[in-house]
Amino acid sequence: GAVVSQHPSWVICKSGTSVKIECRSLDFQATTMFWYRQFPKQSLMLMATSNEGSKATYEQGVEKDKFLINHASLTLSTLTVTSAHPEDSSFYICSARDRPYAGELFFGEGSRLTVL
Amino acid sequence: GESVGLHLPTLSVQEGDNSIINCAYSNSASDYFIWYKQESGKGPQFIIDIRSNMDKRQGQRVTVLLNKTVKHLSLQIAATQPGDSAVYFCADSREGSNYKLTFGKGTLLTVNP
Repeated sequence: GAVVSQHPSWVICKSGTSVKIECRSLDFQATTMFWYRQFPKQSLMLMATSNEGSKATYEQGVEKDKFLINHASLTLSTLTVTSAHPEDSSFYICSARDRPYAGELFFGEGSRLTVL
Repeated sequence: GESVGLHLPTLSVQEGDNSIINCAYSNSASDYFIWYKQESGKGPQFIIDIRSNMDKRQGQRVTVLLNKTVKHLSLQIAATQPGDSAVYFCADSREGSNYKLTFGKGTLLTVNP
């Protein structure tokens, strides 16, 4: 199946700094990517839908200024956690679809963020 | 509101037994359902999916059953193996929502040797 790669797989940062997480579709073009957040022993919560060449669509309760999403190409979406705080520590997972509005959703391996 | 939930948060089975993981959904407009397996520290892995025009679909050692009347979804794993130990999530989506997935709470499956 298609491969979605996330980088970094884990990151530790100081409170107040910004962290960028990359999500790449390695062998297909992804017009739509989704970003999820997962706390320990909990389910995945959709944060936003990232569409190539347009602004991301954020889910209710997700701060767009806090979690900046850029989908600049058909193979790359980035999530930047700005001014990170300890409560932002979480497992961030992206997914990508190889066909618009249809097709299987492929998930990345996740990026674990720890904010000290 | 819309939700996808699970009846059992944990399930422990003996190696070789069959496992059944259940899921309830509330949105009658959902038309696509997926089961994912997530191992510790990793992203979800697709297992099997089913559309609302079907009530059963089989894969390799797995079967998904869909009962639209009671809004219930189940995942059956035959001859469960230690490698099947993981958290299993059901998820639903709707064509009109660009197939955004809503995940259930997850069931931790532990396979005892």
